Amino acid sequence: DAGITQSPRYKITETGRQVTLMCHQTWSHSYMFWYRQDLGHGLRLIYYSAAADITDKGEVPDGYVVSRSKTENFPLTLESATRSQTSVYFCASSGDRGLTDTQYFGPGTRLTVL
Amino acid sequence: EDKVVQSPLSLVVHEGDTVTLNCSYEVTNFRSLLWYKQEKKAPTFLFMLTSSGIEKKSGRLSSILDKKELFSILNITATQTGDSAVYLCAVGGANKLSFGAGTTVTVRA
Repeated sequence: DAGITQSPRYKITETGRQVTLMCHQTWSHSYMFWYRQDLGHGLRLIYYSAAADITDKGEVPDGYVVSRSKTENFPLTLESATRSQTSVYFCASSGDRGLTDTQYFGPGTRLTVL
Repeated sequence: EDKVVQSPLSLVVHEGDTVTLNCSYEVTNFRSLLWYKQEKKAPTFLFMLTSSGIEKKSGRLSSILDKKELFSILNITATQTGDSAVYLCAVGGANKLSFGAGTTVTVRA
């Protein structure tokens, strides 16, 4: 019972490089989310997806791209990484009751942009 | 803009003490309030509250919501060192969950 997994768990990259963070869930949840967590800001929503091929912006979408071709996967791409994108990234999923349903979080990816 | 404020930001207690954490909110079209525990890894779900005045309990943890005064409290009784964590409050509004910055609880043996 894997639940929700993220890869890689740790990543160091350089400014300007493209980075993709992977998220996979085995619950067949409709909704999937990407958050970033920074000291003093708590969790902030980057993008979310209500179903395959349906995505929408959250609070802080600039500099990020998402896709959802399959229900179980929701990759997050930083097209040209910047130092300000150094953060811990959490993927989450929830059932059919929408954006305000209980969300279950993956283990996180710690990304450092040098 | 939706707002979720948690207090205190941090506290240190000794094993056996009781802790009360606060979460106040201003959210459009309130739907739910959730509490999570985060211990150096992913947040784990504790409670979801949707109705005022109904206490939810799980072991030594309990929580209650006041929709009139727009706040919730999370109580931890007989604290243990394993309760040391960041406790996050999240409020479901019209179209998203808004998270507070969290309260860091440190329980000393």
